[in-house]
This record gives sequence, C-alpha cells and structure tokens, in this order.
Amino acid sequence: GIQVEQSPPDLILQEGANSTLRCNFSDSVNNLQWFHQNPWGQLINLFYIPSGTKQNGRLSATTVATERYSLLYISSSQTTDSGVYFCAVRAGGTSYGKLTFGQGTILTVHP
Amino acid sequence: SQTIHQWPATLVQPVGSPLSLECTVEGTSNPNLYWYRQAAGRGLQLLFYSVGIGQISSEVPQNLSASRPQDRQFILSSKKLLLSDSGFYLCALLQRGETQYFGPGTRLLVL
Repeated sequence: GIQVEQSPPDLILQEGANSTLRCNFSDSVNNLQWFHQNPWGQLINLFYIPSGTKQNGRLSATTVATERYSLLYISSSQTTDSGVYFCAVRAGGTSYGKLTFGQGTILTVHP
Repeated sequence: SQTIHQWPATLVQPVGSPLSLECTVEGTSNPNLYWYRQAAGRGLQLLFYSVGIGQISSEVPQNLSASRPQDRQFILSSKKLLLSDSGFYLCALLQRGETQYFGPGTRLLVL
C-alpha cells in the first residue's frame, strides 16, 4: 500500500516563529488532507489539497502531486497551534475514500 | 453541516469484557462511515468502513467487529476485550466524496 512519511517528527518553536511541515507519499494520490489534532484529541480539518496551493489565515499548504509531496506552512505561530499535525492521503484507485495517515508532526509552541 | 457524535467519551474495561462503541451522525444521508484507532498518540489506523446499511468492510484482522444497523449509526464491538484493544477510537464520515470529518473520539483503556 501507499506509504506516507512526515517530517520532522517533532518541532519546538517560540511564539511568533514560522515553520514548514512536510509530507511525502510513495504513490499517486487523488485526495490529500491536513489535520490538526488538538490536546483533547479532536481532529480538525485544515486543508483538502490533492494539488495546488491554498491559504487560510496564518496557515497555507502546497501539494506538488507530480513530485509526491505536500507542505504545510504555519506563520507567526501561536501557543494554540500546538498539537499533532497529520497528513492523510488516498491513493489513486483506492475505493470508498479510505485514507492512509502519516505518523504526524508534534508541534510545541512556547510563549 | 454534518455533526458526528461518539459515545462514550471515555471507557475503562477489564480484559475479557464486551465492548460497544457508538457513532451517530447528523446533517447528512447515506454517508460513508469509518472507524479508526489511534495508539500512543501517533498515526491512525483504519479498522472498518461502511458504504451503507449492513455493509461492512474490515481493513485489518482483529478482535473487533463493526455493524451499521441504521444509515446514520455505526457501532464498534467486541465480545472479549484484549489489553491491545486499548486506544483512541475515532469515527469519521466522508463528505462529498472528498473530505473526511472526524468525531470527538472514545478513549478506551483495557485493564
């Protein structure tokens, strides 16, 4: 099956810093989503981005499908950005919307 | 918009006891529904998915089973829990064939 690798596994920032999280995948995809898991465990949708670039406030994401990677940018980080960020993909030809998740990046933002 | 409810929020069960976790959704009809498990706070593993009433597909062999008695109800069960069944169980639905949304989850501890 498709493999999803996220880097870095852990990231520690000071409030106000910028960061880039990376997601590499081993095969072509027709669905890619970024999620933020908050300290209570809730998975929050950030982006649906199988290709191209999107922005939402301080967050933006870019997926280069032909090169099999996606990047999540966080600018002017805040303590509320702390948590785990997951990339999840659906391989081309996979039925029923099944997602394969990466292992996540644990982000800690200090005040 | 859709809403996903999961019950209970937390559960502590002895080894060998039965299990029933419930997921109900609102604001959508005939959704694809999914059960995921997250262990040790990293990575989600797809356990089951359902494309309709009575239709269940299993992704991994395990001690668990799933049922979909109604269009908006998805149940995860076990006849005898194992220690390895401990984890965070998340129900999800697929919106418009693109985006998966997750419920708040159930934390299960098997002692």
